[in-house]
Amino acid sequence: DQQVKQNSPSLSVQEGRISILNCDYTNSMFDYFLWYKKYPAEGPTFLISISSIKDKNEDGRFTVFLNKSAKHLSLHIVPSQPGDSAVYFCAASDRGSTLGRLYFGRGTQLTVWP
Amino acid sequence: SAVISQKPSRDICQRGTSLTIQCQVDSQVTMMFWYRQQPGQSLTLIATANQGSEATYESGFVIDKFPISRPNLTFSTLTVSNMSPEDSSIYLCSVTTVGDNYEQYFGPGTRLTVT
Repeated sequence: DQQVKQNSPSLSVQEGRISILNCDYTNSMFDYFLWYKKYPAEGPTFLISISSIKDKNEDGRFTVFLNKSAKHLSLHIVPSQPGDSAVYFCAASDRGSTLGRLYFGRGTQLTVWP
Repeated sequence: SAVISQKPSRDICQRGTSLTIQCQVDSQVTMMFWYRQQPGQSLTLIATANQGSEATYESGFVIDKFPISRPNLTFSTLTVSNMSPEDSSIYLCSVTTVGDNYEQYFGPGTRLTVT
């Protein structure tokens, strides 16, 4: 049973435009959410996170939005650059009961074209 | 953050053999994990490597198939035993650092192909 879902396996965006990657979760006990970026032949790289007490967290070109009532989060990349082309994984954690345990979505392949 | 290395980076193995993957971290970390990513799939947690005690395995994974060692706070091994083609995956080591944020940092992965 997939507790974290990324329903779009791929997304193609023109350079300079906004990329929006979406993620849904089913477990209401999740209280910490993370986004990872993965290039081929490399391990996932931590990108940005958000605690359930917030609804937005921003770091440079990357902003994560959390809608707890909808159990939905999204990652916005503005402006998108060709170097952002990678697979993006959404992950969630219930820090209270499962220390360190992350649940991952299947990933979204982002392609940014010039 | 932490710098994590894995050996080997890739291997091609024959059915029925075993492969041990090493994970080395440049600093003492609180938690170490082993994940598997099968082609087109999500990252699936195999087990949590506990220092000085037996690993904690997730549902669907057993110690006889995936024995894990963690002799100290900076090193762990995962063995994939009696391999079959279904074990062909990327195997990833990850760690959490001391602090409240529980971010996990991943090694570069080991790409295993079983023929």
